[in-house]
Amino acid sequence: AAGVIQSPRHLIKEKRETATLKCYPIPRHDTVYWYQQGPGQDPQFLISFYEKMQSDKGSIPDRFSAQQFSDYHSELNMSSLELGDSALYFCASSSPSRPLNYGYTFGSGTRLTVV
Amino acid sequence: QKEVEQNSGPLSVPEGAIASLNCTYSDRGSQSFFWYRQYSGKSPELIMFIYSNGDKEDGRFTAQLNKASQYVSLLIRDSQPSDSATYLCAVRSRVDTGRRALTFGSGTRLQVQP
Repeated sequence: AAGVIQSPRHLIKEKRETATLKCYPIPRHDTVYWYQQGPGQDPQFLISFYEKMQSDKGSIPDRFSAQQFSDYHSELNMSSLELGDSALYFCASSSPSRPLNYGYTFGSGTRLTVV
Repeated sequence: QKEVEQNSGPLSVPEGAIASLNCTYSDRGSQSFFWYRQYSGKSPELIMFIYSNGDKEDGRFTAQLNKASQYVSLLIRDSQPSDSATYLCAVRSRVDTGRRALTFGSGTRLQVQP
């Protein structure tokens, strides 16, 4: 079965550079969530989109922005990168046809290292 | 106070024993509860969800929920070394839209000793 696809798997950037992370949800899933997980930390919710509109906002820095496109894929844009942005970034998707109490499926993540 | 609290561990159990993982949450409006397993450097993997008080069993896993005490637990019977991972408790506060993001605890690291 198709899963949530994230690209790239690994990314190394220098401070103050920009980065773009991509997420392709499971087919027919209409909701995408972005999480940031620092070393030894729990996943922190950043932002989510439903039907191409922002549906929920968490602890996303102002330097970050995201959007969901017409094909439901999503991109997380990160500018003025800081060393503290080094983390695993996970994308997850969910389906409207599933019962509300279902969790969602995570992608394999993008490991961002800022040097 | 974090919204979802877990003992970070490590919780060490011998192979074949029962591992008991606990989680408390602060939002009384929380409606559904999830346990994810995460291996180091990998993405979280959903293993159980529960939304009604009581027990829910799936194979070697049993989730227990007590909304009055704001407590949810995960029991792993016949623990195997392959169960060694970090177990994340996650809570959803609103189910009106079904799209409310999950809030995660910091996870409990489980070590199953062969």
